Amino acid sequence: KQEVTQIPAALSVPEGENLVLNCSFTDSAIYNLQWFRQDPGKGLTSLLLIQSSQREQTSGRLNASLDKSSGRSTLYIAASQPGDSATYLCAVTSNSGYALNFGKGTSLLVTP
Amino acid sequence: DAGVIQSPRHEVTEMGQEVTLRCKPISGHDYLFWYRQTMMRGLELLIYFNNNVPIDDSGMPEDRFSAKMPNASFSTLKIQPSEPRDSAVYFCASRGDLYNEQFFGPGTRLTVL
Repeated sequence: KQEVTQIPAALSVPEGENLVLNCSFTDSAIYNLQWFRQDPGKGLTSLLLIQSSQREQTSGRLNASLDKSSGRSTLYIAASQPGDSATYLCAVTSNSGYALNFGKGTSLLVTP
Repeated sequence: DAGVIQSPRHEVTEMGQEVTLRCKPISGHDYLFWYRQTMMRGLELLIYFNNNVPIDDSGMPEDRFSAKMPNASFSTLKIQPSEPRDSAVYFCASRGDLYNEQFFGPGTRLTVL
C-alpha cells in the first residue's frame, strides 16, 4: 500500500524567506504527483502536477521537483508572503489506479 | 466552468438519521471521486466512478455508506444510519482528460450529534 509522508508537519517562517516542503512516498511506481493548497475550512486547490516522466514543474514562485527513484518530491516557495499561509498537501497516483494517496500535509505560517 | 459543485456545504444531523451528500462534477470529466477528511486519518478515498460505473469502493467504511452516479453530471453519497464517527469533511473531485489532474469541490462538513 502506498504511504505518503510529509515533513515537517508544521512550519513558521518570516515573510520573504525561501522555503522547502518535503514529500516522500514508499512505492516508486507512480503515474503522477500533485501538490495542493488547502486554506482553513476550504477545499483543495491544485498547485502543480508532475508526471512520472518529468523532473519538475514551475508556476510563479512555486517549483516542484520529483525524484521518482528515491520516492521524493519537494515544493519550493520563493520569497514567501503572508498570503502563502495554508496547509500544503502532496498526493500521488499509483500506476495501478486513479485515486490519489495523500500525505497528512504541512501547515505553513508566514509571519509579516 | 463553475468547477465541482457540492451540496450542502454544511450538514448537522442526529445519530441514526439518513444523510445524503451531492456532487456535480466538471462537465466532460469522466472520473468522479469521493474522499473523506478527518484530523486523525487525513484525506482518504471512499469510492470512485468511471463513466458512471463504480470502479473501486474499497474505501467505503461499511454497509451504512452507499454511493451512486445515475448520470454523468450527478453523484450522491448516502449514509444510513449516520453515527458520530462519520463526522468529517467529505470532498468530491473529478478528473480531466489529461494527466489525471483532479479538481476538488469545496467539501461538505458533516457533523453527526
